[in-house]
Amino acid sequence: KNQVEQSPQSLIILEGKNCTLQCNYTVSPFSNLRWYKQDTGRGPVSLTIMTFSENTKSNGRYTATLDADTKQSSLHITASQLSDSASYICVVSLREGTYKYIFGTGTRLKVLA
Amino acid sequence: EAQVTQNPRYLITVTGKKLTVTCSQNMNHEYMSWYRQDPGLGLRQIYYSMNVEVTDKGDVPEGYKVSRKEKRNFPLILESPSPNQTSLYFCASSRVGQPQHFGDGTRLSIL
Repeated sequence: KNQVEQSPQSLIILEGKNCTLQCNYTVSPFSNLRWYKQDTGRGPVSLTIMTFSENTKSNGRYTATLDADTKQSSLHITASQLSDSASYICVVSLREGTYKYIFGTGTRLKVLA
Repeated sequence: EAQVTQNPRYLITVTGKKLTVTCSQNMNHEYMSWYRQDPGLGLRQIYYSMNVEVTDKGDVPEGYKVSRKEKRNFPLILESPSPNQTSLYFCASSRVGQPQHFGDGTRLSIL
């Protein structure tokens, strides 16, 4: 069964600290993996997209890694800010041409001042 | 401004009363999709469309219909809503292979 699991479910950190969110997937055939940020009451917004051949991609203070062998991805947030408080969702898409997406349940991050 | 617009944003209705949630995008995207988001389950794909007059089922299509008569619009139709369709719904669009742009959601409550 195609599944995407994220951990932790929720996380609280102090402003300025770093954190790492995890995503494990059992999706086949794999096309790419994306991380989205979802603020409360809003739709998700794309942070990064990684294909099978990429193992690191950065977007400002966000760095995503992908290990296609172990089927794991992580999202590292550096020097967290209050505005980073949101849910972070890992999404895996099946092979190109199918346009089907499997979403994780997300990690809810709270950054405290 | 590039955007995906859903209407209504909130709706409370009763079982069996047909309803339509509209979705419109102004980015000329080929791909559009509907999702529902429930606590503890994440987003699940209901239907998607790769272009005008081309639609396909996602993971949870039962009880829903869609149509794609124009490129910019992709309405979600609940012919006979039931309480288990109470959820937060998102429409999204994208170019092929690109990240999806999501609307701000429609919260449906079916009594």
